[in-house]
Amino acid sequence: NAGVMQNPRHLVRRRGQEARLRCSPMKGHSHVYWYRQLPEEGLKFMVYLQKENIIDESGMPKERFSAEFPKEGPSILRIQQVVRGDSAAYFCASSLKETQYFGPGTRLLVL
Amino acid sequence: ELKVEQNPLFLSMQEGKNYTIYCNYSTTSDRLYWYRQDPGKSLESLFVLLSNGAVKQEGRLMASLDTKARLSTLHITAAVHDLSATYFCAVDKGDGGSQGNLIFGKGTKLSVKP
Repeated sequence: NAGVMQNPRHLVRRRGQEARLRCSPMKGHSHVYWYRQLPEEGLKFMVYLQKENIIDESGMPKERFSAEFPKEGPSILRIQQVVRGDSAAYFCASSLKETQYFGPGTRLLVL
Repeated sequence: ELKVEQNPLFLSMQEGKNYTIYCNYSTTSDRLYWYRQDPGKSLESLFVLLSNGAVKQEGRLMASLDTKARLSTLHITAAVHDLSATYFCAVDKGDGGSQGNLIFGKGTKLSVKP
């Protein structure tokens, strides 16, 4: 059973561009979570999705950030008009029950 | 607002020694998780503690949960270099409306020296 997959693993964007981060959950998992990690910090919750539904987006910035988990295909975290402060590692996790299993992360660098 | 505090944030140990990492959280929660992260890597699930008094052990690591004190400990026995990593505890926000929103501590960076 493949683990949680994320791509790309590294992403470089210039200020003002868009970043799209993809996450494929573990097989059979219908819950997906996105977290952001700044250097030397813990992870900060962003959003929790189930297929076609956003369950909790209390950690999402109000502007420029959006997430989806369509019926078919991976979950996508989209950041529009990126700024330098968006540079971070973005981790996706999926779960079936209690335990969340994390993907390898996407390291976003905004120049 | 749920807060999770770990201490110490940095820990340098000698091989063979024992030590404990503490995780305090501010509001009621029945689920506590411990994760390990190596530099530049993802998080590896170590333990899930689901009830008061829960104790779990895996190799040289043992985790416990006291929900009344809102405290979890991660005890390291006879440390070895391979345990060098950053250890995070996380608590499920679990407010009934959105289980799965994990609140993480800042992490304890463990360095085990020969």
